[in-house]
Amino acid sequence: QSLLTQPPSASATPGHTVTISCSGSSSNIGVNTVNWYQQLPGAAPRLLITNNNKRSSGVPDRFSGSKSGLSASLAISGLQSEDEADYYCALWDDNVDGYVFGSGTTVTVL
Amino acid sequence: QVQLVQSVTEVKKPGTSMKLSCKASGYSFIDFFIQWVRQAPGQGLEWMGTINTNNGDTNRAPRFQGRVTMTRDTSTGTVYLELSSLRSEDTAVYYCARELPGATSGFDYWGQGTLVTVSS
Repeated sequence: QSLLTQPPSASATPGHTVTISCSGSSSNIGVNTVNWYQQLPGAAPRLLITNNNKRSSGVPDRFSGSKSGLSASLAISGLQSEDEADYYCALWDDNVDGYVFGSGTTVTVL
Repeated sequence: QVQLVQSVTEVKKPGTSMKLSCKASGYSFIDFFIQWVRQAPGQGLEWMGTINTNNGDTNRAPRFQGRVTMTRDTSTGTVYLELSSLRSEDTAVYYCARELPGATSGFDYWGQGTLVTVSS
């Protein structure tokens, strides 16, 4: 059971926007910054968003992150077929005294 | 360019130990912490621990306390992960990753992963 809750799946048609939520608590999202990772099938994860909303080097501006209260979101606009992947939120949890990953969301381009 | 190159696939028997390696290149080794993350087949990502490559200090996830040892060799720029008392549930791909400065800024470079299969 992950400390960070994500929907198991999300989908949209090409060109549209998909938004993935990440729900946490006062010991993680409430006090620390959120990162987002993309994992393509068979590949290592890739850092997309750091510090809640800063795109990592080389990440298209179609990807954006935000945080409010105890939740965070990743939005992918102008959805493309190559965006089909698993997406994970992740950050430090002060209670666990360690890094925690969300349960992951599989994005499907319809 | 920054690279993290991990050791090859391993098959282990239950009750034994494994030691994986992660060789860093293309940057100053001691300036970035290294993290270990694993992924069981069809499952999500699980953080195992971190090593301060400068002084060797480690921080392990609570569930791995007592079973995980992380070390580094600054002369070769290599980090090692040892996991003891292996069981079938430890079958997973194990990744090393470089942590961006700033404690919680994320892991910007990842190794290719090492598949470890624990089976009798």
